[in-house]
Amino acid sequence: GAVVSQHPSWVICKSGTSVKIECRSLDFQATTMFWYRQFPKQSLMLMATSNEGSKATYEQGVEKDKFLINHASLTLSTLTVTSAHPEDSSFYICSARDTPSLNEQFFGPGTRLTVL
Amino acid sequence: AQTVTQSQPEMSVQEAETVTLSCTYDTSESDYYLFWYKQPPSRQMILVIRQEAYKQQNATENRFSVNFQKAAKSFSLKISDSQLGDAAMYFCAYRSYQAGTALIFGKGTTLSVSS
Repeated sequence: GAVVSQHPSWVICKSGTSVKIECRSLDFQATTMFWYRQFPKQSLMLMATSNEGSKATYEQGVEKDKFLINHASLTLSTLTVTSAHPEDSSFYICSARDTPSLNEQFFGPGTRLTVL
Repeated sequence: AQTVTQSQPEMSVQEAETVTLSCTYDTSESDYYLFWYKQPPSRQMILVIRQEAYKQQNATENRFSVNFQKAAKSFSLKISDSQLGDAAMYFCAYRSYQAGTALIFGKGTTLSVSS
């Protein structure tokens, strides 16, 4: 199957700083990427959907100015958590789909963010 | 809006036995996809099985099979001959047939397997 990577796999930062998480599709071109957030022992919550070359669509309740998403190429999407606070600590997972008709999303391994 | 409900937060099974995880969903759409994903302690999401709503035949992948009841909006996962490696969190997910839509997940069921 298709491979999606995320970098970094874990990151610790100080409150008030910004953190960038990269999501790459390694062997296919991802026209659509999705960003999820997951708290311990809970489900994946969709944060936003991004299409290459256009602005991301954020889910209700997700602050677009805090969680900046850029899908500048067909193989790379980035999530930047700006002015991070301890409550932003979570597990962030990206997934990608190569064509609109593909009925499967390929998931990255996730990034654990801890804000001190 | 579509919703996915998993009513069993935790389930347990003994090795070699069979276990069934329940999932119900709500939608007004007639065409859609349903999935079961496994999330082991590594937290990497792994696709277990998928079902297209227009197919009446239940999907099967080796020891994993589903019971898809479209009218009842039910989509249960049966794991046969359970193995220790099956221990994980299992998520039921729904996806609209429309292009570009995201997966909608249930809350998950934690499955433990004992020897």
